[in-house]
Amino acid sequence: QKEVEQDPGPLSVPEGAIVSLNCTYSNSAFQYFMWYRQYSRKGPELLMYTYSSGNKEDGRFTAQVDKSSKYISLFIRDSQPSDSATYLCAMRGGGGSNYKLTFGKGTLLTVNP
Amino acid sequence: DARVTQTPRHKVTEMGQEVTMRCQPILGHNTVFWYRQTMMQGLELLAYFRNRAPLDDSGMPKDRFSAEMPDATLATLKIQPSEPRDSAVYFCASGFGSGNEQFFGPGTRLTVL
Repeated sequence: QKEVEQDPGPLSVPEGAIVSLNCTYSNSAFQYFMWYRQYSRKGPELLMYTYSSGNKEDGRFTAQVDKSSKYISLFIRDSQPSDSATYLCAMRGGGGSNYKLTFGKGTLLTVNP
Repeated sequence: DARVTQTPRHKVTEMGQEVTMRCQPILGHNTVFWYRQTMMQGLELLAYFRNRAPLDDSGMPKDRFSAEMPDATLATLKIQPSEPRDSAVYFCASGFGSGNEQFFGPGTRLTVL
């Protein structure tokens, strides 16, 4: 079992739909949880990150972390064609010298106009 | 507009040849990461440096891969000898502070024939 599992999709939705992307993980030491977005033939870019359990909202994006279930989610409201990309979850443990991120394989999302 | 640069962007080589990839991190960033991305394995961390010192290279095949930071503005990843299974996109990323936000370069797309 990989440390981080993510459904690769592909996921195809109409413009304006609410999108839900998810990851599960097995390492209870993970404390920081991130979502990166990767457009085709580009490097990933950070969307948002959360520490420990809870919700975080940034515009149309909401990240949720449930550490008891080892489950994280990213919700995209009012999805736009420009949101079409691969979304990768990433996570790391705590500690001042631990900079290593473990990534999921990514979910390919297409938002159709 | 500060960004990570990588050269070359594309490389096609024959099995057994040496490959050198270069990365210029964002000025002021003190952590540099090397990743490899394939469809099968996703994004895998190969090695990373903090203040130019190697912190972790456990993801790298030691017999053929080597990573260095000769100075704060240059990181290199070498493969010698290259093999067809090394075909992938290699990303460099840099960061500062906690490491949650890593800024990725555009990647080097390597094909080994």
